[in-house]
Amino acid sequence: EIVMTQSPATLSVSPGERATLSCRASQSISNNLAWYQRKPGQPPRLVIYGASTRATDFPARFSGSGSGTEFTLTISSLQSEDFAIYYCQQYQNRWTFGQGTKVDI
Amino acid sequence: EVQLVESGGGLIQPGGSLRLSCTASGFTFSVYSMHWVRQAPGKGLEWISYISSDSSTTYYANSVKGRFTISRDSAKNALYLEMNSLRDEDTAVYHCARQIYGSSSAFDFWGQGTLVSVSS
Repeated sequence: EIVMTQSPATLSVSPGERATLSCRASQSISNNLAWYQRKPGQPPRLVIYGASTRATDFPARFSGSGSGTEFTLTISSLQSEDFAIYYCQQYQNRWTFGQGTKVDI
Repeated sequence: EVQLVESGGGLIQPGGSLRLSCTASGFTFSVYSMHWVRQAPGKGLEWISYISSDSSTTYYANSVKGRFTISRDSAKNALYLEMNSLRDEDTAVYHCARQIYGSSSAFDFWGQGTLVSVSS
């Protein structure tokens, strides 16, 4: 099983600041990585797939990068609606999620 | 509008069985592969099962293999999860999710989920 490790567990930032979330795979997954946003009481929403392709609902301040085993989700200027938990997911071999990074104020 | 609505959750004793349903609307269900994903209280997301668009291929996480069965009825736009030999650790909110149509295997739409509580 491919293990996904996210860091940090919690990221405290202020509105307008840049947030950088990391995700590491236990083995190479090429670019078969997605990021999801989860808010309380709502289902997860796809943010990024293919490591860097932004889903249609999300603005350009969200960007993804990386390949192989190291990946990053960057939110260039945090807005109030961006505070949430973010999960990475690999789909190279079946599907596994990271444990999540909580982005809070 | 794409909609996925789960149902069938509830309180069940250890060792019991439950059948979850996911009703799809707003898209051509028959061409999409589908998944079940769960989230236990205070824990992260756990993928548990996959079914291809034509039901020919299914996969399971090790944690549920041999106990859970995924199926679908495209005539009814419905996805199912038959859960047997339930354990305390199966307590979670269960979501159905749609896989992106095409080359990516990410999940582009999720249902709200249904809560399964396993307890005596």
